Amino acid sequence: EAGVAQSPRYKIIEKRQSVAFWCNPISGHATLYWYQQILGQGPKLLIQFQNNGVVDDSQLPKDRFSAERLKGVDSTLKIQPAKLEDSAVYLCASSLDRVQPYNEQFFGPGTRLTVL
Amino acid sequence: GNSVTQMEGPVTLSEEAFLTINCTYTATGYPSLFWYVQYPGEGLQLLLKATKADDKGSNKGFEATYRKETTSFHLEKGSVQVSDSAVYFCALSTYNNNDMRFGAGTRLTVKP
Repeated sequence: EAGVAQSPRYKIIEKRQSVAFWCNPISGHATLYWYQQILGQGPKLLIQFQNNGVVDDSQLPKDRFSAERLKGVDSTLKIQPAKLEDSAVYLCASSLDRVQPYNEQFFGPGTRLTVL
Repeated sequence: GNSVTQMEGPVTLSEEAFLTINCTYTATGYPSLFWYVQYPGEGLQLLLKATKADDKGSNKGFEATYRKETTSFHLEKGSVQVSDSAVYFCALSTYNNNDMRFGAGTRLTVKP
């Protein structure tokens, strides 16, 4: 079974530029998550989708971050404009269904963003 | 709010040594508890989980017991191997939120 796919794996941009990350979850997984993992810290949830609807985006900096999940499958996360403090690894995860308890989240390899 | 505090690293052990990584949590309700592992260059993988008090999760020789009275979920392994070198994350999620809260991670290095 294919895992969660993310691209690109690495990205270097200058501050005030825009960047987008792509995620393809495991087939059949209804729930998709985006996390931000700053060096030396644990992942922090940015946004959670159930199919193509947003369940929780309370920790998403909406002035510069946006995300969408068209057709309830692939998802993109965008940062516009980027700041130095956005340098982090962006992790995508998916699970079968958030409604069911204790669903395991499967993580992709992440995209490492460096903002100069 | 819900949170997890885990032992700061890095931890360096010799092969076959005993491992303990401490994890305590704060949560409303009855959370599920998890240990995730991140090997170099790879994504996070679920190592083990426990969904209710006194449950013991185990996998690959690692164990952790859900202790409600001490709000803890310490990770243990009796004899570590070089291949166990990785970053270990303690995490919790609640039934109705399913939003995972992670600790800061503990880097383990095992030397031959």
